[in-house]
Amino acid sequence: DQQVKQNSPSLSVQEGRISILNCDYTNSMFDYFLWYKKYPAEGPTFLISISSIKDKNEDGRFTVFLNKSAKHLSLHIVPSQPGDSAVYFCAASARTGFQKLVFGTGTRLLVSP
Amino acid sequence: DVKVTQSSRYLVKRTGEKVFLECVQDMDHENMFWYRQDPGLGLRLIYFSYDVKMKEKGDIPEGYSVSREKKERFSLILESASTNQTSMYLCASTAGGPPEQYFGPGTRLTVT
Repeated sequence: DQQVKQNSPSLSVQEGRISILNCDYTNSMFDYFLWYKKYPAEGPTFLISISSIKDKNEDGRFTVFLNKSAKHLSLHIVPSQPGDSAVYFCAASARTGFQKLVFGTGTRLLVSP
Repeated sequence: DVKVTQSSRYLVKRTGEKVFLECVQDMDHENMFWYRQDPGLGLRLIYFSYDVKMKEKGDIPEGYSVSREKKERFSLILESASTNQTSMYLCASTAGGPPEQYFGPGTRLTVT
């Protein structure tokens, strides 16, 4: 039972354009959502998060949007840069869950010059 | 900066061997986690620990055990390695509060 889903395994975008990565979840107990970025042969690094009391959080070129009614979140990267090419994982946490994270399967983003 | 280190970046073991993967964090975090990452499956939680000597099963604990004798160190043990345990193993830690986890660089384990 995949509680966090990233339905697009890959995404290709040109440098300077917007990248939009999507994530859906099924568990209504999730109240905190995170995005991680992972380069090959490295551990994931935390990128940005959002609490369920918000619908948007922005940090520089990265913005996360949360639509609770649709159980959907998205990560926008504007403008996209070649260095953003990586695998992006969406993750979710429930308040009572020992800070456990449930991860999606990842989306590989390729930003071409 | 939080630092999570893992004892090996690459490891090759034979089927049936006992394998130890070590993880150390330097930020006095209470919670530590072991994941494995496989293509198309994302990160799956094997075990986690919320205190010294405490451990909880994650989603895929079969074939693994863990040990946490000191707060900063969390070990993953493969009692008898099998080829289906070939994977990237990732350790993470977090303090109380927001659940952002900090990851180590990973250990790429190959079981032949």
